[in-house]
Amino acid sequence: DAGVIQSPRHEVTEMGQEVTLRCKPISGHDYLFWYRQTMMRGLELLIYFNNNVPIDDSGMPEDRFSAKMPNASFSTLKIQPSEPRDSAVYFCASRVAGEGGLAKNIQYFGAGTRLSVL
Amino acid sequence: GESVGLHLPTLSVQEGDNSIINCAYSNSASDYFIWYKQESGKGPQFIIDIRSNMDKRQGQRVTVLLNKTVKHLSLQIAATQPGDSAVYFCAERGTTDSWGKFQFGAGTQVVVTP
Repeated sequence: DAGVIQSPRHEVTEMGQEVTLRCKPISGHDYLFWYRQTMMRGLELLIYFNNNVPIDDSGMPEDRFSAKMPNASFSTLKIQPSEPRDSAVYFCASRVAGEGGLAKNIQYFGAGTRLSVL
Repeated sequence: GESVGLHLPTLSVQEGDNSIINCAYSNSASDYFIWYKQESGKGPQFIIDIRSNMDKRQGQRVTVLLNKTVKHLSLQIAATQPGDSAVYFCAERGTTDSWGKFQFGAGTQVVVTP
């Protein structure tokens, strides 16, 4: 299993530009999560999906951020327009359903996308 | 004034010694906890989990202890190895939260010295 795949690994862009981050969850996983990690705020949940449907987007900072999951194997996180304060590492994670068993609550994280907005 | 970034607490451990990493959680209603390990340049990786109806759970070289009275969680690593050098996070889920929503702690940097 290749694990959760994120692209790009690094993104450098200028303020005002649109940024799109991509994620391929582990096959068979029906939950997908987007996190942001900064030194200031640590690891924050932005949004998560269940069966491609957004369940909780209360962590999305503002309207400049949007996330989609058009199918079970692909999700995007878009920032438009980007600002320097968006600079962070963005992680995608996925897991299987089945909340009852302990092991099924494990989220598997991708390697992250390091975003720098100049 | 300008805000400063989080300064992670650091635990320096000699190779072969046992490590104890502590986490104080905030929500007395949290019913499920996970420890993650994050190596430099990588995403967090699951280590071990525990439900609130347990006070101890053991894995391979790791033990998690839960003290609900004082809202404290600890991770013990036996015979610490250089590969254990990483940032360790605890995460909690409140009973009113869905199974997708976890609150992550700030993390502890573990440095293993030879």
